[in-house]
Amino acid sequence: DAGVTQSPTHLIKTRGQHVTLRCSPISGHKSVSWYQQVLGQGPQFIFQYYEKEERGRGNFPDRFSARQFPNYSSELNVNALLLGDSALYLCASSLAVGRGNEKLFFGSGTQLSVL
Amino acid sequence: RKEVEQDPGPFNVPEGATVAFNCTYSNSASQSFFWYRQDCRKEPKLLMSVYSSGNEDGRFTAQLNRASQYISLLIRDSKLSDSATYLCVVNKHGGSQGNLIFGKGTKLSVKP
Repeated sequence: DAGVTQSPTHLIKTRGQHVTLRCSPISGHKSVSWYQQVLGQGPQFIFQYYEKEERGRGNFPDRFSARQFPNYSSELNVNALLLGDSALYLCASSLAVGRGNEKLFFGSGTQLSVL
Repeated sequence: RKEVEQDPGPFNVPEGATVAFNCTYSNSASQSFFWYRQDCRKEPKLLMSVYSSGNEDGRFTAQLNRASQYISLLIRDSKLSDSATYLCVVNKHGGSQGNLIFGKGTKLSVKP
């Protein structure tokens, strides 16, 4: 079975542009979360979606938005890109949203470089 | 105080050594605790969950002290393949596992 898949794997943009990152969860998983990992730091939570509804939001500006589709895949959108948005963007999927003990599986990420 | 703090590292150890990583968390209401492993330029992967009673998986032992808000990971008989960054992770109070708080990670380098 395929794991969590993300596209594209690498992306180069310039300041002020917009970017859309895509994620397909493991088959059967209904929850998708997005994380940003800046070099030298741990991943930082951006959003969680379950059954197409937002279930959590981290401390990120409104330039960041996301959605989940009926097939449980998800998109992360970032508008008005800044140099500081350069990072590895990780998508993670889990079966459901529970009490905090369900297993989380990460995709290999999209490396975004903003010039 | 940061939500999750780890030993800064890096840890450079010879093969066969025993190495311990420590981590503290600030939110006493956190309910789930984990250690993740991340290889260079790869995604994090769950190494093990951490339970109050302590748990062991082969050469790896994890401990949790809720009173001190302290988590540890012990690796015995280190292998070259253990070289990676180890991330201490807790869930946000009331949050599902999708909403996790990661430490900065501690880099381990095992040398021959």
